[in-house]
Amino acid sequence: QVQLVQSESELKKPGASVRLSCKASGYIFTNYALNWVRQAPGQGLEWMGWINTNTGNPTYARAFTGRYVISLDTSINTTYLQISSLKPEDSAVYYCARGGFGDDFWGQGTLVTVSS
Amino acid sequence: EVVLTQSPGTLSLSPGERATLSCRASQSIISSYLAWYQQKPGQPPRLLIYGASTRATGIPERFSGSGSRTDFTLTISRLEPEDFAVYYCQQYYSSHSFGQGTKLQIK
Repeated sequence: QVQLVQSESELKKPGASVRLSCKASGYIFTNYALNWVRQAPGQGLEWMGWINTNTGNPTYARAFTGRYVISLDTSINTTYLQISSLKPEDSAVYYCARGGFGDDFWGQGTLVTVSS
Repeated sequence: EVVLTQSPGTLSLSPGERATLSCRASQSIISSYLAWYQQKPGQPPRLLIYGASTRATGIPERFSGSGSRTDFTLTISRLEPEDFAVYYCQQYYSSHSFGQGTKLQIK
């Protein structure tokens, strides 16, 4: 069965960096794009960007350029989201989701807390 | 950038009633690229509808989607207790974006 398993929660200080992972299984990894979505506490969903799993080419939403890097390792069916120069407002749950006709499978989410 | 505006922000209904949720796009989008999601507290979103009107695998028939161009609707024909949640629309025609959500709560 299709599964997206994300890395565990992170507690970071402002200015630090974090790398989140999302491991896919149960389907042909390169047949589907992977999206990253952010959800701040009590807020809605924000699409951050996606990665083409064939080419490794990422595309970012306008609000998520500069400090964000989406990458992948096809040898282990995993995509990564790295966020640098963390700010308290980066505290949120980050989801990966398989793209296609709608995002049909989602990871369980990774909670990132940025606090001094 | 396509902006999606959902209405109402909150909808209060009773089990058994019909729910109608709206999603308006700031520019015309191809119907094939409009989806609806349900999210419950502490859970990731769940895909309900894609292509504006196609139910995702395992989604009950009481959920239906309609609309075209800039106006889209999610209808829940007869509310079950488990349907009370937050609903989001999403377009993936021009980049991707989500609406701000509609909270469906028990009256």
